[in-house]
Amino acid sequence: DTQMTQSPSTLSASVGDRVSITCRASQSVEIWLAWYQQKPGKAPKLLIYRASSLESGVSSRFSGSGSGTEFTLTISSLQPDDFATYYCQQYYTSPTFGQGTKVEIK
Amino acid sequence: QVQLVESGGGVVQPGGSLRLSCAASGFTFSNYGIHWVRQAPGKGLEWVAFIRSDGTTKYYADSVRGRFTLSRENSRNTLFLQMNSLRPEDTAVYYCAKGDSGTYYGHSEYWGQGTLVTVSS
Repeated sequence: DTQMTQSPSTLSASVGDRVSITCRASQSVEIWLAWYQQKPGKAPKLLIYRASSLESGVSSRFSGSGSGTEFTLTISSLQPDDFATYYCQQYYTSPTFGQGTKVEIK
Repeated sequence: QVQLVESGGGVVQPGGSLRLSCAASGFTFSNYGIHWVRQAPGKGLEWVAFIRSDGTTKYYADSVRGRFTLSRENSRNTLFLQMNSLRPEDTAVYYCAKGDSGTYYGHSEYWGQGTLVTVSS
């Protein structure tokens, strides 16, 4: 199985901050990586797919980059609605998720 | 609009069985693969299984292989997850999620609301 490791596990930030979350794969997943946002009691919401493609309807303050084994999700200017948990997922092989990054209010 | 609605969750004793359903609408169901993903209370997301659009090929996580079985009825736009030999560690909210292709895993742009399975004596 391809292991996905996110860092940090928790991120404390303020409204307006630029924040980045890193996801590392134990082997290359090429560009087959997605990012999801999840709020308590809700299903995950797709933000980014194929490493850098923005899902329709998602704010352009979200962006994704990377390929191979290292990927980054960046939120350019954190908004109140963005405080949530974020997961990366590779789907190059049998899908696996990172452990999640909780973005909380500083 | 695309909708996925899970049902069939509940409380079951260890060793028991449960069958989950996922009813789909708003897209051509027979053209897309479907995933099941679960989330234990307070934990992260875990991919469980994937079935291709025609139902002929299924993939399972190691943690459920041999105990869980996926099937689909394209005529009824419905997916099923038969769960046998359930263990306490199978306790989770189970989501079905639409893949973006009929054959390969893909990302999931649409998810159901989830159904809770609790395995406890």
